[in-house]
Amino acid sequence: KAGVTQTPRYLIKTRGQQVTLSCSPISGHRSVSWYQQTPGQGLQFLFEYFSETQRNKGNFPGRFSGRQFSNSRSEMNVSTLELGDSALYLCASSLLGGPRETQYFGPGTRLLVL
Amino acid sequence: AQSVTQLGSHVSVSEGALVLLRCNYSSSVPPYLFWYVQYPNQGLQLLLKYTSAATLVKGINGFEAEFKKSETSFHLTKPSAHMSDAAEYFCAVSDEWGSNYKLTFGKGTLLTVNP
Repeated sequence: KAGVTQTPRYLIKTRGQQVTLSCSPISGHRSVSWYQQTPGQGLQFLFEYFSETQRNKGNFPGRFSGRQFSNSRSEMNVSTLELGDSALYLCASSLLGGPRETQYFGPGTRLLVL
Repeated sequence: AQSVTQLGSHVSVSEGALVLLRCNYSSSVPPYLFWYVQYPNQGLQLLLKYTSAATLVKGINGFEAEFKKSETSFHLTKPSAHMSDAAEYFCAVSDEWGSNYKLTFGKGTLLTVNP
């Protein structure tokens, strides 16, 4: 099976712009989670989607949003970019999103905000 | 609330030496525990996980971890380090409280292996 894919891999934006990141989960996986990774804050949970519904949300401002499509592919959007949004954004998928399940991570999208 | 503490942000060992990466968790209910590894410019790869079966868990690449409830620990070990083990290692916890299924990660431990 193909792994989790994320596009684009690298992105450079300027402050105030918006950005959309895409994630394709492993075939058959219905849960998709997003994490932000920075040197200072480490790995932080953004949100999780299952069957096109957001089930769980981390402690991030409303500028961070996401959605999931009927084929389980997911996108996350960050509006009005700030310098502090520069990070590696990781997507992970699992079958149903249960707490015992392994989450399989994609390679990430590295976002640089200038 | 769940939390994970990884003692030591940087661990350096010689090739062939024992690897010990420490992880302590805090959870109000029985936890599920994971170790992930991240190589440069890559995503996270699961090494092993504890889901309330055997307390000694064996993973990939010769790694293992032991769940010790009395010490709230889940330390990662490998008897003999290899150069290819150099990477960053993350301990993570999840539990079945409510429907908040998510992974809470520690800050990570960067492992350096010296020849």
